[in-house]
Amino acid sequence: DIQMTQSPSTLSASVGDRVTITCRASQSISTWLAWYQQKPGKAPNLLIYKASSLESGVPSRFSGSGSGTEFTLTISSLQSDDFATYYCQQYNSYSTFGQGTKLEIK
Amino acid sequence: QLPLQESGPGLVKPSETLSLTCTVSSDSISNTFYYWGWIRQPPGKGLEWIGSIYYSGSTYSNPSLKSRVTISVDTSKHQFSLKLSSVSAADTAVYYCARHPINYESGGYPSTFDYWGQGILVTVSS
Repeated sequence: DIQMTQSPSTLSASVGDRVTITCRASQSISTWLAWYQQKPGKAPNLLIYKASSLESGVPSRFSGSGSGTEFTLTISSLQSDDFATYYCQQYNSYSTFGQGTKLEIK
Repeated sequence: QLPLQESGPGLVKPSETLSLTCTVSSDSISNTFYYWGWIRQPPGKGLEWIGSIYYSGSTYSNPSLKSRVTISVDTSKHQFSLKLSSVSAADTAVYYCARHPINYESGGYPSTFDYWGQGILVTVSS
């Protein structure tokens, strides 16, 4: 099974900050990685697919990069609507999610 | 938007079978570009993929749950269903259904989850 590990588990930041979340795979997954945003009581929302492709309708302040085993999600300038929990998902072999990163207001 | 709606009992007794249905409000369930999946989230915890099904009935399941999971599809009703047997308190979670596009760049396997239902909380308790 492919394990996905996100860091940090919690991130405190302010509006306007640039933030980066990391996701590491236990083995190479090429670029078969997605990122999701989830707000309390809501279903996750797809942000990024194929490591760096922005899903339609997602603001351009979100970007993804990486390949192989290490990936990052970057928010270039945090907006108040961005405070949420973020998950990575590999789809190279079946499907596995990371444990999540909670982005909190500092 | 592509509405998906989960339905089923919100309370299941230990050792019994959890049964949920997802209704897709269009005929896209027969579209050759998509699998249809189930994902769950225990309260306060992360996401776990359970399994997915193609309109033809072909399925993929999480190896850790495979022995207890049955997923089926009824294209005439625009529905797909999940059965999880021998449940315990550890199966208490919000269960989501979602659309699961096929990744034709890599062997034709399912990829991301691009549309989700609102989720249904299922509690396992006597």
